[in-house]
Amino acid sequence: AQRVTQPEKLLSVFKGAPVELKCNYSYSGSPELFWYVQYSRQRLQLLLRHISRESIKGFTADLNKGETSFHLKKPFAQEEDSAMYYCALPAGGTSYGKLTFGQGTILTVHP
Amino acid sequence: ETGVTQSPTHLIKTRGQQVTLRCSSQSGHNTVSWYQQALGQGPQFIFQYYREEENGRGNFPPRFSGLQFPNYSSELNVNALELDDSALYLCASSLEPGAYEQYFGPGTRLTVT
Repeated sequence: AQRVTQPEKLLSVFKGAPVELKCNYSYSGSPELFWYVQYSRQRLQLLLRHISRESIKGFTADLNKGETSFHLKKPFAQEEDSAMYYCALPAGGTSYGKLTFGQGTILTVHP
Repeated sequence: ETGVTQSPTHLIKTRGQQVTLRCSSQSGHNTVSWYQQALGQGPQFIFQYYREEENGRGNFPPRFSGLQFPNYSSELNVNALELDDSALYLCASSLEPGAYEQYFGPGTRLTVT
């Protein structure tokens, strides 16, 4: 069965420091992967998808098939990045509306 | 453009009862997915509806059922409620089953006592 693991429930950094939120997945094949974010008192929303190779709000994520990882990175964290982050894998690798989510990582960026 | 709405916001039920949760999809979206989010966990896929038919199901028992209406709104029904059904239930809509971006509603908090 496919699975997504986010090993850190909590992550704290200071403003301006680099941040990396870890995500590992189990799936045999070439999946698409996503990062979703939920800011305080807001809805869950898409942050980025690996296939677009975009940098959204300064975040990037690279799919490493060898390590089955899709870590989210930002070189200089900002206070407004404080939120809950979820890594997500579509069912069968590409069924986008049927997502398997990790447990989430709460990122806190201190001033 | 109206976003995804869900009702009610909160509700409390007793074990063994039945509950119906409602979701209105974002304007123009014909696909609705439902997720269960237990406390401290990520959302877990329940099922998806497209063109009023179930279009995929996660690992949930048959007492979890759904409907989609011609206007693309959807209901999630849970029979014979159990204490473990206490969770936040999220609805997400998309332009079509193949669209990669899901638009989530605010959720319905269900407490089973």
